[in-house]
Amino acid sequence: DTGVSQDPRHKITKRGQNVTFRCDPISEHNRLYWYRQTLGQGPEFLTYFQNEAQLEKSRLLSDRFSAERPKGSFSTLEIQRTEQGDSAMYLCASSIRASGANVLTFGAGSRLTVL
Amino acid sequence: DAKTTQPPSMDCAEGRAANLPCNHSTISGNEYVYWYRQIHSQGPQYIIHGLKNNETNEMASLIITEDRKSSTLILPHATLRDTAVYYCIVRVGGANSKLTFGKGITLSVRP
Repeated sequence: DTGVSQDPRHKITKRGQNVTFRCDPISEHNRLYWYRQTLGQGPEFLTYFQNEAQLEKSRLLSDRFSAERPKGSFSTLEIQRTEQGDSAMYLCASSIRASGANVLTFGAGSRLTVL
Repeated sequence: DAKTTQPPSMDCAEGRAANLPCNHSTISGNEYVYWYRQIHSQGPQYIIHGLKNNETNEMASLIITEDRKSSTLILPHATLRDTAVYYCIVRVGGANSKLTFGKGITLSVRP
């Protein structure tokens, strides 16, 4: 088990372009989360999947953002028509449904720079 | 979710214990206390969690006051690699339990 993998680690794009990030969670984890983190702030929740179902979306997830988890395994986060304000670290985390505490394992993140 | 309050920063000497405080005075009975840390340019890393009892693992100890309104994360022998932002988070266990991060406390370990 190699933990949560995110790809690419770094992405530089021009304003108006579309970008897609991929997250591969820990294999037995059925929950998957996307967060966004800007400089000096803690991670902010974007969305959450249980298996293939997207169960919650933050207000931060504008209509330019879309996340999928088609087969309940890997997930993608797409940002259309990027804006400079989208520059941030995009973090993916996974966990396994269990009673009691829910411990999230995070990936290393995908850093987006929009020029 | 109960709100947590952490000082913005603290430092400690290498080899000494680092005691990181967290206030969560509005915590409810079924909310866990979680601690994560984030080293520069990496994703957050789980450290420890607890409900009522004190907890210890290979990374740290978590001391929760009897009234559960505050807690302390203890790194018994801080090293330079422990320099990071530490987040104290309170959340109900189970079900859909996303974690809500604040700004955390920046721990600087000095040589």
